[in-house]
Amino acid sequence: DIVMTQSPLSLPVTPGEPASISCRSSQSLQHSNGNTYMDWYLQKPGQSPQLLIHEGSSRAFGVPDRFSGSGSGTDFTLKISRVEAEDVGVYYCMQALQTPYTFGQGTKLEIK
Amino acid sequence: QVQLQQWGAGLLKPSETLSLTCAVYGGSFRGYLWSWFRQPPGKGLEWIGEITHSGDTNYNPSLESRATISIGTSKSQFSLRMTSVTAADTAVYYCARGWIGVRGDFGPANWFDPWGQGFLVTVSS
Repeated sequence: DIVMTQSPLSLPVTPGEPASISCRSSQSLQHSNGNTYMDWYLQKPGQSPQLLIHEGSSRAFGVPDRFSGSGSGTDFTLKISRVEAEDVGVYYCMQALQTPYTFGQGTKLEIK
Repeated sequence: QVQLQQWGAGLLKPSETLSLTCAVYGGSFRGYLWSWFRQPPGKGLEWIGEITHSGDTNYNPSLESRATISIGTSKSQFSLRMTSVTAADTAVYYCARGWIGVRGDFGPANWFDPWGQGFLVTVSS
């Protein structure tokens, strides 16, 4: 199985400030077709996970443009340009290169 | 807008069989991979398995011996059965729609959206 490792696990942020979460995979997530199969999800308190970013850098429908995904190979980053109160929750990276799909441990973002 | 709604038995005793159903409203059942995930209390997410609209399945090897995913009698429903549950199977279970891309109808899925509301299954004697 591909192991996904996130950092930090806890992220206190002041509203209006930027935030960054890293995710590293145990093998490259780039497919021979050129696509990178790396997704980011946000699980708000008491809710189901919701898709933020798919295939490394594509924002899901309705996701604000303050969220961006980048990276390649085994190293990926989710950035929030200006954190808002509604962004609190646990952020997960997930690899979709192969089954079983596997997730990072989660990064809990909280407002200072 | 597609919505997934889940239901099932919420309290089980050890050794019993878990049974959950997920109904898809407002969208096509064909052309997607339909998955189950779970999340133990306070922990992270684990993929259980998936099924195509035609009934082809794929499972997490860690659960394959106990999990069965099937298409419901209504073609817009799919179900999860897991035998011989223990306390370690206590979790919130989610269904989700997997989007298929250039890798073909049998996946893997590229991403999952939307997710069901989640259903807590507790295993306790």
